[in-house]
Amino acid sequence: DVKVTQSSRYLVKRTGEKVFLECVQDMDHENMFWYRQDPGLGLRLIYFSYDVKMKEKGDIPEGYSVSREKKERFSLILESASTNQTSMYLCASSFSLQGWGYTFGSGTRLTVV
Amino acid sequence: DQQVKQNSPSLSVQEGRISILNCDYTNSMFDYFLWYKKYPAEGPTFLISISSIKDKNEDGRFTVFLNKSAKHLSLHIVPSQPGDSAVYFCAASAISGGTSYGKLTFGQGTILTVHP
Repeated sequence: DVKVTQSSRYLVKRTGEKVFLECVQDMDHENMFWYRQDPGLGLRLIYFSYDVKMKEKGDIPEGYSVSREKKERFSLILESASTNQTSMYLCASSFSLQGWGYTFGSGTRLTVV
Repeated sequence: DQQVKQNSPSLSVQEGRISILNCDYTNSMFDYFLWYKKYPAEGPTFLISISSIKDKNEDGRFTVFLNKSAKHLSLHIVPSQPGDSAVYFCAASAISGGTSYGKLTFGQGTILTVHP
């Protein structure tokens, strides 16, 4: 069974902390994505990567960075967490250029206090 | 700027009846459209898709209709079942013209509740 695994289901962090969200896929997918889900706003793309060490900004990259040192792992970094980054974070990967290839992880619920 | 919009935050339907979820888009470059379904505490899962060269795609109880001139698509679920209760996201992608890497733009989601 193919999987996208997000390392934590729930996280509570303090304002100003540096936060790492990890995502690992076992499908040899080239593309990986980070979205956040907020009520009334749907899923918004933060960053994506189409190859190792490659990254592209999504629609809301401010306050975030990413790292992709290995094909299977894509990390989202909150450089200095703020309360407005409290959200559900979803990682996805895809094998092809087509959107139906997305496989999502179960999400990380991050609360910044 | 919301390029994909689902204007109904919620929909309530009786079991056995039809559920119709709607989605509008503004970007004329979008040429591939998808519906995803999300249960609480799980990631979204792919449900059905349609290319812009078609106006209808059917898969079992699920049918997606695309009206390109109106930039509107809809998802029909017939008959609706209680297990269909979930959040439904419409998504769009611009596949032709190269550098989208298949990234999806999602709508806000519609919470569907199917009552027994």
